[in-house]
Amino acid sequence: SQKIEQNSEALNIQEGKTATLTCNYTNYSPAYLQWYRQDPGRGPVFLLLIRENEKEKRKERLKVTFDTTLKQSLFHITASQPADSATYLCALGNYGQNFVFGPGTRLSVLP
Amino acid sequence: DGGITQSPKYLFRKEGQNVTLSCEQNLNHDAMYWYRQDPGQGLRLIYYSQIVNDFQKGDIAEGYSVSREKKESFPLTVTSAQKNPTAFYLCASSTRALTDTQYFGPGTRLTVL
Repeated sequence: SQKIEQNSEALNIQEGKTATLTCNYTNYSPAYLQWYRQDPGRGPVFLLLIRENEKEKRKERLKVTFDTTLKQSLFHITASQPADSATYLCALGNYGQNFVFGPGTRLSVLP
Repeated sequence: DGGITQSPKYLFRKEGQNVTLSCEQNLNHDAMYWYRQDPGQGLRLIYYSQIVNDFQKGDIAEGYSVSREKKESFPLTVTSAQKNPTAFYLCASSTRALTDTQYFGPGTRLTVL
């Protein structure tokens, strides 16, 4: 069955450093991959989408890579700030199929 | 949270009672979805609707029911047949079904006592 893993359940980093979150998947061939941010007790908010034929996507301090050979996506937040502390979810999609969400990684940026 | 509202924020019910969660969107999206989120697990799809008067079961539809009588509204009923209903429920919408970015509501936390 389809499986998505996101590195550790929680990640602590120091303010100003680059946070790197991973999303690994098996038994799935996604056409695209999305990253969402979720704050406690709130709904996820869309951040970035990357398609299978794209290697890298950037948006301000965010960068996403997508390696379909390794079946992995990396999500980077550069110059991290305490306000970046949240849970980050990856979601795989393919046209006409349900999205599959990972369990999320809780990021804490320490001042 | 975009233009999606869910009510109430917190809901308490006694075991054996049906309960209906509200979801309204003003984004003019055709597709709407209901997810369930449990600690340590990814979002799991309960039901989705691609268009008014149409809906499809997701991965965990047992014990739930939905309706889509209006484009703006997609209420979810958690029936007494749902064995473990206590969870965080999220409604989402997108321009088209299963192909576009989803916009989520703020969620409803249901606790069954």
